[in-house]
Amino acid sequence: GDSVTQMEGPVTLSEEAFLTINCTYTATGYPSLFWYVQYPGEGLQLLLKATKADDKGSNKGFEATYRKETTSFHLEKGSVQVSDSAVYFCALSDPTGGGNKLTFGTGTQLKVEL
Amino acid sequence: EPEVTQTPSHQVTQMGQEVILRCVPISNHLYFYWYRQILGQKVEFLVSFYNNEISEKSEIFDDQFSVERPDGSNFTLKIRSTKLEDSAMYFCASSGGAGWIGELFFGEGSRLTVL
Repeated sequence: GDSVTQMEGPVTLSEEAFLTINCTYTATGYPSLFWYVQYPGEGLQLLLKATKADDKGSNKGFEATYRKETTSFHLEKGSVQVSDSAVYFCALSDPTGGGNKLTFGTGTQLKVEL
Repeated sequence: EPEVTQTPSHQVTQMGQEVILRCVPISNHLYFYWYRQILGQKVEFLVSFYNNEISEKSEIFDDQFSVERPDGSNFTLKIRSTKLEDSAMYFCASSGGAGWIGELFFGEGSRLTVL
């Protein structure tokens, strides 16, 4: 079945550091890929998405490129801020599954310190 | 901005008791979902609901679980006889019409603690 694997957290960075959170996936079809973010005390929010190979999703300085050859969708940001501290979830939606449910990774907690 | 709201934010219950978690999805959405996250584990799909019936459910969603949309605005998850392993954060989500390619709008979650 479909699965998503994310790097373990927590990831602790200093402000303005470069961020990479790795995500790889397994899917039977051609999934859409997503990064969701959960800020403290809030629900999951869509951060960015990519629907086909080589697409790059971007939002709020975060980027991720859909790499079919490596089945990856790594999240990157050039300069993190304290306000980026949150839990980040990689997810996929596989249309061959018949619906639009999401399969999530375990989430990676990011802590950004001054 | 429209949002999905969930109540209660935290519920503590005794094993064997019935629990109802409530959600108000975004008003013009057509698909509704429940997910859960056991502490330290993945966010797991439980069930999706469309056109007043279950469209898909996972192996987790056994006979102890049920969903209902009783009044056109609320979407509820009932656990008939809670077990210790049902302790988790439960997320409700909703999304748009057919052909939607995956953005789900999530609530803040309801934390269920079974003692």
